[in-house]
Amino acid sequence: ETGVTQSPTHLIKTRGQQVTLRCSSQSGHNTVSWYQQALGQGPQFIFQYYREEENGRGNFPPRFSGLQFPNYSSELNVNALELDDSALYLCASKTGGTGDEQFFGPGTRLTVL
Amino acid sequence: AQTVTQSQPEMSVQEAETVTLSCTYDTSESDYYLFWYKQPPSRQMILVIRQEAYKQQNATENRFSVNFQKAAKSFSLKISDSQLGDAAMYFCAYRRETSGSRLTFGEGTQLTVNP
Repeated sequence: ETGVTQSPTHLIKTRGQQVTLRCSSQSGHNTVSWYQQALGQGPQFIFQYYREEENGRGNFPPRFSGLQFPNYSSELNVNALELDDSALYLCASKTGGTGDEQFFGPGTRLTVL
Repeated sequence: AQTVTQSQPEMSVQEAETVTLSCTYDTSESDYYLFWYKQPPSRQMILVIRQEAYKQQNATENRFSVNFQKAAKSFSLKISDSQLGDAAMYFCAYRRETSGSRLTFGEGTQLTVNP
């Protein structure tokens, strides 16, 4: 059984650019969540996808969007990058069960210059 | 909105000693889950222990145990026989019963273990 993987590990972008981050869920998991973790802070929930549909969103603007594919891998897209978007982006996957544990990936470190 | 507060930005402990990390939360819900996650320098968030709000018994996982005080909305983590590998950032997190996978995290406590 493989764990949650994310790519790339690190990324440097310029303000105004667009970025796509990728997450491969753990086998058998149909729910994925994305979090933004600014330096020295706790992760903040961005949104959640269940069976390819967004079904929960945190306090993030529409320029943060996502996709979940039939194989339950997912993408986080951020348009019009701002300096404050510099952070560690974490994805986590779980099964659809209410009490089931979610497993985190190692994250993608995004730096916006 | 639910909030999670960790009032100790940093803690240190001697190897083999015991340390307690504090966490308080605010919610109007009656059914929820509480978690402690560990984030080492490798950045991967690792679940340490979880507690279901409906359970009165405090959760225990080997050297890790919690003191869950539902009325006080307090959820502290006790690490016994601390090891060098326990050094990491520890996050307390809350999840509503009906919120799917959405976690609300505290700001974290950086734990240092001294040899």
